[in-house]
Amino acid sequence: AQKVTQAQTEISVVEKEDVTLDCVYETRDTTYYLFWYKQPPSGELVFLIRRNSFDEQNEISGRYSWNFQKSTSSFNFTITASQVVDSAVYFCALSEVMRTQGGSEKLVFGKGTKLTVNP
Amino acid sequence: DAGVIQSPRHEVTEMGQEVTLRCKPISGHNSLFWYRQTMMRGLELLIYFNNNVPIDDSGMPEDRFSAKMPNASFSTLKIQPSEPRDSAVYFCASRPSRATWETQYFGPGTRLLVL
Repeated sequence: AQKVTQAQTEISVVEKEDVTLDCVYETRDTTYYLFWYKQPPSGELVFLIRRNSFDEQNEISGRYSWNFQKSTSSFNFTITASQVVDSAVYFCALSEVMRTQGGSEKLVFGKGTKLTVNP
Repeated sequence: DAGVIQSPRHEVTEMGQEVTLRCKPISGHNSLFWYRQTMMRGLELLIYFNNNVPIDDSGMPEDRFSAKMPNASFSTLKIQPSEPRDSAVYFCASRPSRATWETQYFGPGTRLLVL
């Protein structure tokens, strides 16, 4: 069964510190997609990034960067020089092709990591 | 462009009452998902529609839950009768197509409290 593990339940840092959120996944599919979402205190789920299993190139977007390593089944997320506005729950998710009619797809979410950035 | 729209944003009701949650997907999106989020179980997929047709409702907790998508721009999730354990945040998400590489975009959620 496909599974996403975010071992860090809560992380607390001081502003300007770098922080890495870990994500480890399990799948038997050779083609799959990984996602990160942010859920700020206001509650909405905001899409951050999508990565397919054939693209192991790291990605950087401003202060955010992602490290995808198939060898360790990990897709870690680093925030550089964290800010108070980064405080949120971050979810890692894996797309799964459901073995049902039509081969439909669903997202399997990790439990999330709550990040608190203190001033 | 408008994102996924959900209503109401908050709902407080008494046990036994019927609750209807509403969702308007992003225009042009063909796939729609209903999720439930609780502290204990995290984010759970309840049901998934493609082109207005329910594809998989295996996540629907029990017969008290039903979902419909009468047209491409509207879906409802109904709980009848509601119970305190149904208290959760319910999210609707839409996706351009059923392709696995497409991103799901979430609505703001409906916070449901059943007393």
